[in-house]
Amino acid sequence: SQTIHQWPATLVQPVGSPLSLECTVEGTSNPNLYWYRQAAGRGLQLLFYSVGIGQISSEVPQNLSASRPQDRQFILSSKKLLLSDSGFYLCAWSVNYNSPLHFGNGTRLTVT
Amino acid sequence: DQQVKQNSPSLSVQEGRISILNCDYTNSMFDYFLWYKKYPAEGPTFLISISSIKDKNEDGRFTVFLNKSAKHLSLHIVPSQPGDSAVYFCAAQGAQKLVFGQGTRLTINP
Repeated sequence: SQTIHQWPATLVQPVGSPLSLECTVEGTSNPNLYWYRQAAGRGLQLLFYSVGIGQISSEVPQNLSASRPQDRQFILSSKKLLLSDSGFYLCAWSVNYNSPLHFGNGTRLTVT
Repeated sequence: DQQVKQNSPSLSVQEGRISILNCDYTNSMFDYFLWYKKYPAEGPTFLISISSIKDKNEDGRFTVFLNKSAKHLSLHIVPSQPGDSAVYFCAAQGAQKLVFGQGTRLTINP
C-alpha cells in the first residue's frame, strides 16, 4: 500500500532563517506531488505541484521554492523565512489527474 | 479570486440528523469534485468524489450531489455521528490542479 511521510511535524524558526521541509511517498511510482499551505482560519492554498522529476509548477509568487530531486521526493524550501510564512504545510500525492489526493500529516511552521 | 467557495464557516447538527454541507464554484472547466475531512493537526483525508458526468454519488452515510447548471455541490451525511465532527473541505479539479474551498467546521451535538 502507498504511504506518504512528511517531516518535521512541528517547526519553530526565526525570521530570516532557511527552511527545508521534506516529503516522500512509498508504494507508487511517478506520482503527482503537491505542496499546500493552510494559513490560520483559511482554506488550503496550492503552492507547488509536480508531475515528474525536475518538473515544478508554481502557483503563487512567494518566498518559497520546491524541488523534486527523486521520483518520490518533494522538498519545500526557503532561503529566508518571513513572518507571513507561518502556517500548516501539507504534502500530497495522487496517481494522476482526476484521482484523489492523499495528504501527509502536515508540518506546523511558526516563524517568530 | 476564490474559485471554490464554502459560504458557511461552521455548522452545528444534532446527532442522528442529516448534515448538509454546501459548496459553490465558478469555473465551468472543473470536471471532478471531491470532499475531504480534516481533524486538527492532521492532513485531510479523502471522503467521496463525483465526476461532472454524474449528479449523485453515494457511499454509505455520505452522498454528494452535483448541480452543474448552478455550479453547486453538496455533501449529505445521514445519520450524523459524533465522529463526523471535523472540518470539511470541498475541492474541484481542473488543469492538473485541485482547488479547495475555505472549509466548513461541522459539529455534531449529542
